[in-house]
Amino acid sequence: SAVISQKPSRDICQRGTSLTIQCQVDSQVTMMFWYRQQPGQSLTLIATANQGSEATYESGFVIDKFPISRPNLTFSTLTVSNMSPEDSSIYLCSAAQSTEAFFGQGTRLTVV
Amino acid sequence: AQTVTQSQPEMSVQEAETVTLSCTYDTSESDYYLFWYKQPPSRQMILVIRQEAYKQQNATENRFSVNFQKAAKSFSLKISDSQLGDAAMYFCAYRARGGNTPLVFGKGTRLSVIA
Repeated sequence: SAVISQKPSRDICQRGTSLTIQCQVDSQVTMMFWYRQQPGQSLTLIATANQGSEATYESGFVIDKFPISRPNLTFSTLTVSNMSPEDSSIYLCSAAQSTEAFFGQGTRLTVV
Repeated sequence: AQTVTQSQPEMSVQEAETVTLSCTYDTSESDYYLFWYKQPPSRQMILVIRQEAYKQQNATENRFSVNFQKAAKSFSLKISDSQLGDAAMYFCAYRARGGNTPLVFGKGTRLSVIA
């Protein structure tokens, strides 16, 4: 099984600023996924990140707002840009390996 | 597109009793995976149980078991001998087989365990 280290675990940010969330996997994985979980809600897929190509974004999410990097098979970042209070959520990264999916510990973001 | 429906926003169970959480899904695929994840206040997504659609036998993990009805597209989770530590959000999830595909989640069921 894969272990994903995600940081920061939480942050409080001023509106208009940006935050970069990092995920490090302890083994090589082809795809990584970024989810948003708004307060009291389920997980919504933001984008799929494949190493060596641009991320694929779901409807309602755009690269300018949520740029993603995937420089190698064990690492990915998600940036939340020009933040507003509506971006206050938990952000989780995930990786699929064989039949299972693994998750980072999540980042609780509060925008004030 | 695949969808996952959890019709019970909240459930409660007495300690040591049994509770069943419901999940239905919609897909045109014949081979896929189904999961139940537990999310405690720590936010960590914890895999509870996994079912492979081509396996007719229902998956079991200790006190957790599923009732997988492929024709009805139903995938319920039974928790036996409930413990206080079982209190959490439970998410049903679907994943297509073949390739590296993301999970599709239901809205979740908040389970409370009453001492």
